[in-house]
Amino acid sequence: DTEVTQTPKHLVMGMTNKKSLKCEQHMGHRAMYWYKQKAKKPPELMFVYSYEKLSINESVPSRFSPECPNSSLLNLHLHALQPEDSALYLCASSPVGPPGNTIYFGEGSWLTVV
Amino acid sequence: AQSVSQHNHHVILSEAASLELGCNYSYGGTVNLFWYVQYPGQHLQLLLKYFSGDPLVKGIKGFEAEFIKSKFSFNLRKPSVQWSDTAEYFCAVTPGGTYKYIFGTGTRLKVLA
Repeated sequence: DTEVTQTPKHLVMGMTNKKSLKCEQHMGHRAMYWYKQKAKKPPELMFVYSYEKLSINESVPSRFSPECPNSSLLNLHLHALQPEDSALYLCASSPVGPPGNTIYFGEGSWLTVV
Repeated sequence: AQSVSQHNHHVILSEAASLELGCNYSYGGTVNLFWYVQYPGQHLQLLLKYFSGDPLVKGIKGFEAEFIKSKFSFNLRKPSVQWSDTAEYFCAVTPGGTYKYIFGTGTRLKVLA
């Protein structure tokens, strides 16, 4: 079982809705990530938090708003999404420190925008 | 731009056949290299990783990979595949020890019983 927990597993939302995806890890990792994965495609990096501060934003549209309230939690706030934003959203975590750290993925949240 | 290429998009093998999946990256500096596997309906799991030392790396479930710096390659191998190895395999690179994991396009492996 993965030690990165994501909720909800499935979410259907309209283009005017506001919703949030949540991620939690208790491995003591201080780097947390959001990835987006479309069907039959590799995961694409969206955001990286290091020590609860946003360190990488891969030019993600502002309708996606990440938040890291503490070292164990990572949220992704969603507002005014488009149908093309439908995808699997993966949360991941890793230790911060020397290179070669393994990144641990959650099972993902399947998002459908209607 | 940094990129990772996996040339085999779909591979079909019979059980007990040998496997080699190619992975090439484009980055001239120090890299950390990973292979992840995604079984149907499951999350991504680490198979093996390389960041220094012996270029031949052994991972879980009998998989190994060889880092060839001169070829910018990190190919995955298994001498004898099993039906349970049916999955999608992703090569990933973190350039320069950063946290920016770049994934290849993946290879779908189907093993016939």
